[in-house]
Amino acid sequence: QSGLTQPPSASGTPGQRISISCSGSTSNIGSYTVNWYQQVPGTAPQLLIYKTDQRPSGVPDRFSGSKSGTSASLAISGLQSEDEAVYYCASWSDSLNGVLFGGGTKLTVL
Amino acid sequence: QVQLVQSGAEVKKPGASVKVSCKASGYRFTNYAIGWVRQAPGQGLEWMGWIATYNDNRKYAQNVQGRVAMTTDAATTTAYMELRSLTSDDTAVYYCARVSPPFTSSYYYFDLWGQGTLVTVSS
Repeated sequence: QSGLTQPPSASGTPGQRISISCSGSTSNIGSYTVNWYQQVPGTAPQLLIYKTDQRPSGVPDRFSGSKSGTSASLAISGLQSEDEAVYYCASWSDSLNGVLFGGGTKLTVL
Repeated sequence: QVQLVQSGAEVKKPGASVKVSCKASGYRFTNYAIGWVRQAPGQGLEWMGWIATYNDNRKYAQNVQGRVAMTTDAATTTAYMELRSLTSDDTAVYYCARVSPPFTSSYYYFDLWGQGTLVTVSS
Protein backbone atom coordinates (compact mmCIF):
# COMPACT_ATOMS: atom_id res chain seq x y z
CA GLN A 1 0.00 0.00 0.00
CA SER A 2 1.34 3.46 -0.85
CA GLY A 3 1.81 5.90 1.97
CA LEU A 4 -0.09 8.99 2.99
CA THR A 5 0.50 11.91 0.63
CA GLN A 6 2.54 14.90 1.76
CA PRO A 7 4.17 17.69 -0.26
CA PRO A 8 7.91 16.93 -0.53
CA SER A 9 8.91 20.41 0.56
CA ALA A 10 7.71 23.57 2.28
CA SER A 11 9.38 26.81 3.21
CA GLY A 12 8.83 29.99 5.14
CA THR A 13 10.60 32.93 6.71
CA PRO A 14 11.17 33.44 10.43
CA GLY A 15 7.98 34.48 12.20
CA GLN A 16 5.74 33.26 9.41
CA ARG A 17 2.95 30.67 9.75
CA ILE A 18 3.08 27.63 7.49
CA SER A 19 0.93 24.55 7.03
CA ILE A 20 1.81 21.04 5.87
CA SER A 21 -0.89 18.81 4.45
CA CYS A 22 -1.32 15.05 4.67
CA SER A 23 -3.83 13.27 2.51
CA GLY A 24 -5.16 9.76 3.00
CA SER A 25 -8.34 7.74 2.61
CA THR A 26 -11.31 6.40 4.52
CA SER A 27 -9.29 3.36 5.61
CA ASN A 28 -6.73 5.46 7.45
CA ILE A 29 -7.05 9.20 8.19
CA GLY A 30 -10.79 9.13 7.56
CA SER A 31 -11.26 6.58 10.33
CA TYR A 32 -8.43 7.23 12.79
CA THR A 33 -6.45 9.97 14.47
CA VAL A 34 -3.27 11.38 12.96
CA ASN A 35 0.18 11.70 14.48
CA TRP A 36 3.06 13.91 13.40
CA TYR A 37 6.77 13.33 13.84
CA GLN A 38 9.65 15.75 13.45
CA GLN A 39 13.01 14.49 12.25
CA VAL A 40 16.02 16.78 12.34
CA PRO A 41 18.61 15.48 9.82
CA GLY A 42 20.89 12.87 11.32
CA THR A 43 18.68 12.22 14.33
CA ALA A 44 15.77 9.95 15.23
CA PRO A 45 12.19 11.09 14.70
CA GLN A 46 10.38 12.64 17.64
CA LEU A 47 6.67 12.74 18.39
CA LEU A 48 5.32 16.22 17.67
CA ILE A 49 1.52 15.82 17.62
CA TYR A 50 -0.55 12.80 18.66
CA LYS A 51 -4.24 11.97 18.40
CA THR A 52 -4.59 14.61 15.68
CA ASP A 53 -4.28 17.72 17.87
CA GLN A 54 -2.52 16.83 21.12
CA ARG A 55 0.97 18.07 21.95
CA PRO A 56 3.35 16.02 24.12
CA SER A 57 4.82 17.92 27.03
CA GLY A 58 7.72 20.04 25.89
CA VAL A 59 6.37 20.72 22.40
CA PRO A 60 5.72 24.46 21.95
CA ASP A 61 2.16 25.58 21.29
CA ARG A 62 3.42 27.04 18.00
CA PHE A 63 2.74 23.55 16.64
CA SER A 64 -0.84 22.49 16.08
CA GLY A 65 -2.64 19.71 14.26
CA SER A 66 -6.07 19.31 12.72
CA LYS A 67 -8.05 16.91 10.55
CA SER A 68 -10.97 17.12 8.18
CA GLY A 69 -12.34 14.06 6.44
CA THR A 70 -9.46 12.15 4.90
CA SER A 71 -6.89 14.94 5.20
CA ALA A 72 -4.86 16.35 8.06
CA SER A 73 -2.69 19.40 8.55
CA LEU A 74 0.21 20.46 10.70
CA ALA A 75 0.52 24.19 11.32
CA ILE A 76 3.59 25.94 12.62
CA SER A 77 3.29 29.55 13.67
CA GLY A 78 6.10 31.94 14.54
CA LEU A 79 8.48 29.91 12.39
CA GLN A 80 12.00 29.58 13.81
CA SER A 81 15.25 28.39 12.25
CA GLU A 82 15.28 25.41 14.62
CA ASP A 83 12.06 24.19 12.98
CA GLU A 84 14.05 23.12 9.91
CA ALA A 85 13.42 19.39 9.74
CA VAL A 86 11.46 16.72 7.92
CA TYR A 87 7.89 16.29 9.11
CA TYR A 88 6.04 12.98 8.79
CA CYS A 89 2.36 12.33 9.27
CA ALA A 90 1.17 8.86 10.28
CA SER A 91 -2.12 7.11 10.85
CA TRP A 92 -3.44 3.66 11.57
CA SER A 93 -4.35 1.81 8.39
CA ASP A 94 -7.05 -0.84 8.14
CA SER A 95 -5.55 -2.39 5.02
CA LEU A 96 -2.07 -2.53 6.55
CA ASN A 97 -3.39 -3.40 10.02
CA GLY A 98 -0.51 -1.22 11.08
CA VAL A 99 0.97 2.27 10.94
CA LEU A 100 1.04 4.10 7.62
CA PHE A 101 3.47 7.00 7.24
CA GLY A 102 3.47 9.90 4.82
CA GLY A 103 6.48 10.42 2.58
CA GLY A 104 7.69 13.36 4.64
CA THR A 105 7.87 17.11 4.05
CA LYS A 106 11.19 18.88 4.26
CA LEU A 107 10.73 22.30 5.85
CA THR A 108 13.23 25.02 5.04
CA VAL A 109 13.34 28.25 7.01
CA LEU A 110 14.63 30.90 4.64
CA GLN B 1 16.08 8.77 32.34
CA VAL B 2 13.43 7.41 30.02
CA GLN B 3 15.20 6.13 26.93
CA LEU B 4 15.70 3.42 24.35
CA VAL B 5 19.30 2.59 23.48
CA GLN B 6 20.01 0.50 20.41
CA SER B 7 22.96 -1.65 19.41
CA GLY B 8 25.65 -0.42 17.05
CA ALA B 9 25.92 -0.35 13.29
CA GLU B 10 26.18 -3.61 11.35
CA VAL B 11 27.55 -4.58 7.95
CA LYS B 12 26.18 -7.80 6.49
CA LYS B 13 26.51 -9.74 3.27
CA PRO B 14 23.46 -10.56 1.14
CA GLY B 15 21.67 -13.62 2.45
CA ALA B 16 22.86 -13.11 6.01
CA SER B 17 20.80 -12.20 9.09
CA VAL B 18 21.03 -9.28 11.48
CA LYS B 19 19.74 -8.90 15.02
CA VAL B 20 19.27 -5.41 16.46
CA SER B 21 18.75 -4.85 20.17
CA CYS B 22 16.86 -2.06 21.92
CA LYS B 23 17.33 -1.61 25.67
CA ALA B 24 14.65 0.30 27.52
CA SER B 25 15.18 2.15 30.78
CA GLY B 26 13.41 4.66 32.98
CA TYR B 27 9.90 3.24 32.66
CA ARG B 28 7.99 0.00 33.27
CA PHE B 29 9.03 -2.09 30.28
CA THR B 30 6.08 -4.46 30.38
CA ASN B 31 3.49 -1.69 30.19
CA TYR B 32 4.33 -0.66 26.65
CA ALA B 33 4.67 -2.49 23.36
CA ILE B 34 7.70 -1.87 21.15
CA GLY B 35 7.44 -1.02 17.46
CA TRP B 36 10.10 -1.15 14.76
CA VAL B 37 10.45 1.37 11.94
CA ARG B 38 13.11 1.53 9.26
CA GLN B 39 14.38 4.28 7.01
CA ALA B 40 16.31 3.58 3.83
CA PRO B 41 18.99 6.15 2.88
CA GLY B 42 17.34 9.41 1.85
CA GLN B 43 13.89 7.88 2.17
CA GLY B 44 10.90 8.09 4.49
CA LEU B 45 9.78 5.99 7.43
CA GLU B 46 8.46 2.46 7.00
CA TRP B 47 6.58 0.58 9.72
CA MET B 48 7.86 -2.98 10.20
CA GLY B 49 5.70 -4.23 13.02
CA TRP B 50 5.32 -4.33 16.78
CA ILE B 51 5.48 -6.68 19.72
CA ALA B 52 3.64 -6.49 23.01
CA THR B 53 6.01 -6.84 25.94
CA TYR B 54 3.17 -7.91 28.24
CA ASN B 55 1.72 -10.88 26.35
CA ASP B 56 4.06 -11.54 23.39
CA ASN B 57 1.43 -10.71 20.77
CA ARG B 58 3.03 -9.39 17.63
CA LYS B 59 2.17 -8.16 14.16
CA TYR B 60 4.55 -7.86 11.21
CA ALA B 61 4.22 -5.76 8.09
CA GLN B 62 3.48 -7.78 4.99
CA ASN B 63 6.66 -6.72 3.20
CA VAL B 64 8.91 -8.31 5.85
CA GLN B 65 6.58 -11.08 6.99
CA GLY B 66 8.38 -14.41 6.90
CA ARG B 67 11.84 -12.81 7.27
CA VAL B 68 11.46 -10.87 10.51
CA ALA B 69 11.23 -11.95 14.13
CA MET B 70 10.60 -9.57 17.02
CA THR B 71 11.23 -10.72 20.56
CA THR B 72 11.53 -9.22 24.01
CA ASP B 73 13.31 -10.11 27.26
CA ALA B 74 11.55 -8.60 30.26
CA ALA B 75 14.38 -9.60 32.59
CA THR B 76 16.81 -7.31 30.75
CA THR B 77 14.14 -4.88 29.45
CA THR B 78 15.44 -5.43 25.95
CA ALA B 79 13.62 -5.85 22.64
CA TYR B 80 15.13 -7.50 19.60
CA MET B 81 14.46 -7.42 15.88
CA GLU B 82 16.01 -10.09 13.67
CA LEU B 83 15.83 -9.82 9.90
CA ARG B 84 16.87 -12.78 7.73
CA SER B 85 17.81 -13.31 4.09
CA LEU B 86 19.08 -9.76 3.77
CA THR B 87 19.28 -7.99 0.42
CA SER B 88 20.58 -4.57 -0.54
CA ASP B 89 17.01 -3.28 -0.23
CA ASP B 90 17.27 -3.88 3.53
CA THR B 91 20.05 -1.30 3.88
CA ALA B 92 18.51 1.22 6.24
CA VAL B 93 18.52 2.77 9.69
CA TYR B 94 16.36 0.64 11.97
CA TYR B 95 14.55 2.33 14.85
CA CYS B 96 12.80 0.85 17.83
CA ALA B 97 10.07 2.99 19.35
CA ARG B 98 7.79 2.79 22.35
CA VAL B 99 4.13 2.30 21.52
CA SER B 100 1.62 4.51 23.33
CA PRO B 101 -0.80 4.49 25.02
CA PRO B 102 0.19 1.61 27.32
CA PHE B 103 -1.26 -1.83 26.64
CA THR B 104 -2.30 -0.75 23.15
CA SER B 105 -2.19 -3.02 20.13
CA SER B 106 -3.70 -0.75 17.50
CA TYR B 107 -4.42 2.91 16.70
CA TYR B 108 -1.20 3.77 18.48
CA TYR B 109 1.64 6.26 18.15
CA PHE B 110 5.34 6.19 18.98
CA ASP B 111 6.22 8.48 21.87
CA LEU B 112 9.85 7.47 22.47
CA TRP B 113 12.44 6.48 19.88
CA GLY B 114 15.81 4.79 19.97
CA GLN B 115 18.77 6.48 18.32
CA GLY B 116 18.69 4.15 15.33
CA THR B 117 20.94 1.35 14.07
CA LEU B 118 22.42 1.50 10.58
CA VAL B 119 22.38 -1.86 8.84
CA THR B 120 24.34 -1.98 5.60
CA VAL B 121 23.95 -4.95 3.29
CA SER B 122 26.78 -5.21 0.81
CA SER B 123 28.82 -7.89 -0.87
